[in-house]
Amino acid sequence: AQKVTQAQTEISVVEKEDVTLDCVYETRDTTYYLFWYKQPPSGELVFLIRRNSFDEQNEISGRYSWNFQKSTSSFNFTITASQVVDSAVYFCALIFTGTASKLTFGTGTRLQVTL
Amino acid sequence: GAVVSQHPSWVICKSGTSVKIECRSLDFQATTMFWYRQFPKQSLMLMATSNEGSKATYEQGVEKDKFLINHASLTLSTLTVTSAHPEDSSFYICSARSVIYNEQFFGPGTRLTVL
Repeated sequence: AQKVTQAQTEISVVEKEDVTLDCVYETRDTTYYLFWYKQPPSGELVFLIRRNSFDEQNEISGRYSWNFQKSTSSFNFTITASQVVDSAVYFCALIFTGTASKLTFGTGTRLQVTL
Repeated sequence: GAVVSQHPSWVICKSGTSVKIECRSLDFQATTMFWYRQFPKQSLMLMATSNEGSKATYEQGVEKDKFLINHASLTLSTLTVTSAHPEDSSFYICSARSVIYNEQFFGPGTRLTVL
């Protein structure tokens, strides 16, 4: 079965704390693409990152970083020094080969950052 | 570049009426567009894949006669919710796949409320 699991339904942190959002996936494919999207209260999906399954290099973009561990089928997302503007729902998603570019989304993690 | 628009951004209608939602790729051609539905506090669920010039492919459990999809040009796909009922109230999001960039770009979504 091909599946994306985001076990954390809601996370609440105080501003400036670091927070990691977990994403675990299941697939038998060797080639696939991993994504993270942010959905603020406005509803519009904001693309954050895309990685392919052959690129296991971790990535850092400002306060955001991603840790791709193929051995554990995980693609975790860390926000350092969180800010109130980071409050949103974050979705992990995958495109599996043979699915005609159809995205499979996780259930999302709602992040609340308070002062 | 790679902007996708949706119109309208929100709509309120009476039960039994039909509602048309447009999805446009503004600065690129999209041979494939996807329609998602998102209920409150839930993830995005793919409804159908729309290919330009051919019939849409619907996901299991999605009624094709209720959710009519037309993809008549490389920049426009429409979703018509026919005989809408309150249970169709949801957030509808489209995405367009750019052949050049091999990426999906999301529209801002349309919030449908059926009274």
